[in-house]
Amino acid sequence: EPEVTQTPSHQVTQMGQEVILRCVPISNHLYFYWYRQILGQKVEFLVSFYNNEISEKSEIFDDQFSVERPDGSNFTLKIRSTKLEDSAMYFCASSLRGADIQYFGAGTRLSVL
Amino acid sequence: AQKVTQAQTEISVVEKEDVTLDCVYETRDTTYYLFWYKQPPSGELVFLIRRNSFDEQNEISGRYSWNFQKSTSSFNFTITASQVVDSAVYFCALSVPWAGNMLTFGGGTRLMVKP
Repeated sequence: EPEVTQTPSHQVTQMGQEVILRCVPISNHLYFYWYRQILGQKVEFLVSFYNNEISEKSEIFDDQFSVERPDGSNFTLKIRSTKLEDSAMYFCASSLRGADIQYFGAGTRLSVL
Repeated sequence: AQKVTQAQTEISVVEKEDVTLDCVYETRDTTYYLFWYKQPPSGELVFLIRRNSFDEQNEISGRYSWNFQKSTSSFNFTITASQVVDSAVYFCALSVPWAGNMLTFGGGTRLMVKP
């Protein structure tokens, strides 16, 4: 069964460093998303991406964040200068069409020290 | 703006009991989609169901059933004869097509099923 793959499963970084979280969406899907979940809290939307551009972003997704689809299979989230409060689980998701089911990856736990 | 409320933060039941998880949503849109996801202790988010706003028919899938009532803006989830493997956090979510299809999640309900 096709699945969304995220790497690494756990990333530890120092405050102020740049991190790139990687995702391989389901191959025929066209819509891509990033969400985050601070420990013990609800899942929050960050950004949606379609046709090589951002279609929607939340207030959380400020200038420190960027997304890219560098090739036909990867979808990345970059945090330019990490802060302590960026520590969270980051989930990638994809859907075939916009209103379809979003399938989630297993997540990347980001720990900022 | 969209909002999803799961008033029950934690529920504890004994195996084989039935349990209902409540979900109340708010939106001004007439076209929207409702979802339930399960987050087991391993942390991933597992899709359970998707419902569109024009389909109020209740759905049953094995021990799981969902009750969608537009009149009360609720989309409740019932597990019949609960099992220990049902222990997880369950999230209700809402999306509207015009807002980038982003999912707005509720705060989640942690279900603990004891043997």
